[in-house]
Amino acid sequence: SQQGEEDPQALSIQEGENATMNCSYKTSINNLQWYRQNSGRGLVHLILIRSNEREKHSGRLRVTLDTSKKSSSLLITASRAADTASYFCAPSNQGGKLIFGQGTELSVKP
Amino acid sequence: EAGVVQSPRYKIIEKKQPVAFWCNPISGHNTLYWYRQNLGQGPELLIRYENEEAVDDSQLPKDRFSAERLKGVDSTLKIQPAELGDSAVYLCASSRETGGLYNSPLHFGNGTRLTVT
Repeated sequence: SQQGEEDPQALSIQEGENATMNCSYKTSINNLQWYRQNSGRGLVHLILIRSNEREKHSGRLRVTLDTSKKSSSLLITASRAADTASYFCAPSNQGGKLIFGQGTELSVKP
Repeated sequence: EAGVVQSPRYKIIEKKQPVAFWCNPISGHNTLYWYRQNLGQGPELLIRYENEEAVDDSQLPKDRFSAERLKGVDSTLKIQPAELGDSAVYLCASSRETGGLYNSPLHFGNGTRLTVT
């Protein structure tokens, strides 16, 4: 199983603050993906980071990967109310499944 | 490009009744996935198709669930008979990539919320 486990389960911050979500997994991976899910909607892909990458940026998003610790983090800088959503990590290995964790529920208050 | 389309958006049925969900993936996406998402949980894979072949159905409860992807395009997931524990959101996703490598993102539909009473 490649299930990611997100931490914290819930996070509440003020607009403008940074939000950091962590993901841990148990075995070696090929890559790790982060997704966002707004209430009542499907998941939207945010970033894919490969096992040989340590950091990746996309706009206000920054993802890090530490394969020695089997962990990844998602940082959202200068958060906005529209960032309120659930965030899921999903590690995968070659030929395996993409298994989602339980997610971090982020609430950004205006 | 148009996204993944699912219907219906909501379905309420009584237990022991049959139900079916439909998914039209993004054009050109060879791989199609059905996931089930319980409240407060992440999606769990039920079945993965590459073209018209079900290449991973190990998590599909085959006694009551069935799926098909005729002509390798749209797909239908069926439950017969439904049980109370089947209440969940059923998500369809698609991707260009085949082979289970997951080097490309999955594109999800908005799901069908099933309530079994």
